[in-house]
Amino acid sequence: AQTVTQSQPEMSVQEAETVTLSCTYDTSESNYYLFWYKQPPSRQMILVIRQEAYKQQNATENRFSVNFQKAAKSFSLKISDSQLGDTAMYFCAFIAYNTNAGKSTFGDGTTLTVKP
Amino acid sequence: GAVVSQHPSRVICKSGTSVKIECRSLDFQATTMFWYRQFPKKSLMLMATSNEGSKATYEQGVEKDKFLINHASLTLSTLTVTSAHPEDSSFYICSAQAELYQETQYFGPGTRLLVL
Repeated sequence: AQTVTQSQPEMSVQEAETVTLSCTYDTSESNYYLFWYKQPPSRQMILVIRQEAYKQQNATENRFSVNFQKAAKSFSLKISDSQLGDTAMYFCAFIAYNTNAGKSTFGDGTTLTVKP
Repeated sequence: GAVVSQHPSRVICKSGTSVKIECRSLDFQATTMFWYRQFPKKSLMLMATSNEGSKATYEQGVEKDKFLINHASLTLSTLTVTSAHPEDSSFYICSAQAELYQETQYFGPGTRLLVL
């Protein structure tokens, strides 16, 4: 069974600064996908970034980037130039490729507050 | 692309009544849909996996007769909360995958259920 751990229940950052959210996971699978989702106060889950485990290059989406360390089973999210709209709950998620019926395993979430 | 809708967005009902929640993939065919329940400031709790044309697979502890799931087509899955009680009050979220095992989950905006 897979587990996903987000060790930071809450974080805050000043507007325009950089913040890193941590995520570690445990799995015996070799092929899998990792995701970061954002859930703002509206509660709509929004995909922030996705990483395929077989790719060594870290995924990047504008101000969002990940530090994927496969051997360490670590998948942190870096948000650069933080904006007030980044205030949300962030979930790290794992999907094993071709097993477990495509179900995601989610971490407990990190609530990020961006302060003006 | 990859838009998932949910209807209704919020519903208030009396104890003992049944409530149906619809989840639709608007611009893609969803072979698999997932139903989650989320409590405030908590992670998503998977209730069941729904595949088009077959019976839903429920997670341990989820009452099949209480939460009826029907995946009638490749674009529609429904969750019916039967004989709802106040403890069923929660935020229900659906997600859809375009291809089993491989694809990102796209989430609906959620349905807030309040049972009086």
